[in-house]
Amino acid sequence: GDSVTQMEGPVTLSEEAFLTINCTYTATGYPSLFWYVQYPGEGLQLLLKATKADDKGSNKGFEATYRKETTSFHLEKGSVQVSDSAVYFCALILNSGNTPLVFGKGTRLSVIA
Amino acid sequence: DTGVSQNPRHKITKRGQNVTFRCDPISEHNRLYWYRQTLGQGPEFLTYFQNEAQLEKSRLLSDRFSAERPKGSFSTLEIQRTEQGDSAMYLCASSLDSGVVFFGPGTRLTVL
Repeated sequence: GDSVTQMEGPVTLSEEAFLTINCTYTATGYPSLFWYVQYPGEGLQLLLKATKADDKGSNKGFEATYRKETTSFHLEKGSVQVSDSAVYFCALILNSGNTPLVFGKGTRLSVIA
Repeated sequence: DTGVSQNPRHKITKRGQNVTFRCDPISEHNRLYWYRQTLGQGPEFLTYFQNEAQLEKSRLLSDRFSAERPKGSFSTLEIQRTEQGDSAMYLCASSLDSGVVFFGPGTRLTVL
């Protein structure tokens, strides 16, 4: 079946450090890929997305590139801030459109000043 | 606020009781999803509707769980004879066809 695997956390970084959160996927069809973020005490929010191979999604300084050859969608940010502390979820949905979002287990990021 | 709303936000119940949660999706969205999230895990799919039709149900959705979306607008999720293992955050989400999925704040259920 379809699945998403994320690097396990928690990840603890100092402010202004470089962030990478790895995400790989297995899909029976051709997926769109997403990163969602969950800030403390809040609901899931879409952070960025990519719908086809080689697309780059970006938002709030975060980026992720859809790599079909490595079935990956790694999340990166050049300089993290304390306010980026949250749980990040990688997810996919098949472009056939009749299946629900499938999530990874999430990676907790803590950024310290 | 025109986002997805869920009520109640918190529910504490005793084992064996029935509970019902409500979700109001974004108004023009035809798809509505229910997920469950436990501590340290990603959201797990339970079921989804396209308009009023329930199109898919996860194997996670035991016979004690039932969901409805009678007029293709709001939805309810009922859990009968609750068990301690049902304690979780229940998330509702909606989308327009297979577009971006927007999530509500969730209903946290605690079964004592």
